[in-house]
This record gives sequence, structure tokens and C-alpha cells, in this order.
Amino acid sequence: QKEVEQDPGPLSVPEGAIVSLNCTYSNSAFQYFMWYRQYSRKGPELLMYTYSSGNKEDGRFTAQVDKSSKYISLFIRDSQPSDSATYLCAMSYTGGSQGNLIFGKGTKLSVKP
Amino acid sequence: GAVVSQHPSWVICKSGTSVKIECRSLDFQATTMFWYRQFPKQSLMLMATSNEGSKATYEQGVEKDKFLINHASLTLSTLTVTSAHPEDSSFYICSSGQTGNQPQHFGDGTRLSIL
Repeated sequence: QKEVEQDPGPLSVPEGAIVSLNCTYSNSAFQYFMWYRQYSRKGPELLMYTYSSGNKEDGRFTAQVDKSSKYISLFIRDSQPSDSATYLCAMSYTGGSQGNLIFGKGTKLSVKP
Repeated sequence: GAVVSQHPSWVICKSGTSVKIECRSLDFQATTMFWYRQFPKQSLMLMATSNEGSKATYEQGVEKDKFLINHASLTLSTLTVTSAHPEDSSFYICSSGQTGNQPQHFGDGTRLSIL
């Protein structure tokens, strides 16, 4: 079993839809959870960064972490064509700047106008 | 704006050539930088951790003599792919984070194509 599992998609939704992206993981020692957005031929761009369980909201984005279920989610409200990208979840045992990030494979999202 | 700058963005060169990739932290001093490799439709895989003023730490299976890392200052780390071959063609990305528990920010990556 891989440490981090993420459905690669592709996921196609109409503009304005609510998007739900998810990752599961096997190691309960993960403490820090991140979501990155990666456009084609670009480096990942940090969207959300959370510690331990709970919810975090930033504009149209909401990140949820459920450590008891080893499950994290990213919700995108009012999705836009510009949200079309690959979304990567990532986790680490220690603080982000010092820790080795373990990535999911990424989910490719397409938002149709 | 970008906090990590990576250069060049794209390199095409002949087999046997050595290629140097630079990674700079723009707004902060980075004692640690990370080098990742990403193959098409795959996720990022950590290659090595670059430590300012000391030797890099390589992940299992990554040849340290082939992927030379130098972190001579608090704002610059370089990755040199020595005697590159077609199988080294990939997307190389660096990252860094400020001290403490700040998240990592990534450069825009370098697409390396070896002919």
C-alpha cells in the first residue's frame, strides 16, 4: 500500500460546480497536510497548509483533515476554467520547511465553461 | 510573487553533457532546499535534501555522483546532472521553506531533455 493515495482522475466539471478532491494515507504520523496546484509545465503552487485535524478556508477553497480516518479533502466552490490544473496533496511528519513531503499522484481537474 | 526562482526553465542537450540547474530563494534565507524529479503523469519524488554548508542527503536509489548538489550560500542551491543520458530526461523542481513550520514553496521547474 502506498503511503498516499490519490485518484488521478481526470475529473471534468462544469463551470460553477463544487469540486471535491481527496487523498487517503496510511501513516498516522503525518502531521502537516498541504494542497498544491500544478499547471502544465510549471512547479506546484501552494494552496492550503494545515496542521493536524480540522478545517481551513481561504476564499473559494476549503481544506479538511480527518486524522482519525486518515483522509484529507480539498473543496473548490464556484469552480472556474482557470482552476483547471492538476491538484496534488502532500504530507509530512515534521514542519513543512524541514520535512520530506510525500505527494499523492495528483488529480487532473478540467472545468468546462 | 514567486519566493523560489529556478533557472533555466528548459534545457535540450546532447547525451554526455553536464547540465547545471539553479534554485534561489528570493525573500528569505534557506538553510535547506529540496530537489524533486517528476516524470510525465507521475508525482514528485524527492531526490535529495540540500543543506547549506554541508553535504546533501540523497534518497535511496539516487546516485550522488551523477546528481551533484552544491548549497554554497543561504539563497542558492545548484543541481548538476553529470554526463546526462536520455533516461535522465525529466522535470526537475526545487523547493524551499522559511524556518520553522512554514510550508515549502516550489520553483517553476526545469524541463531537461537529453537527445
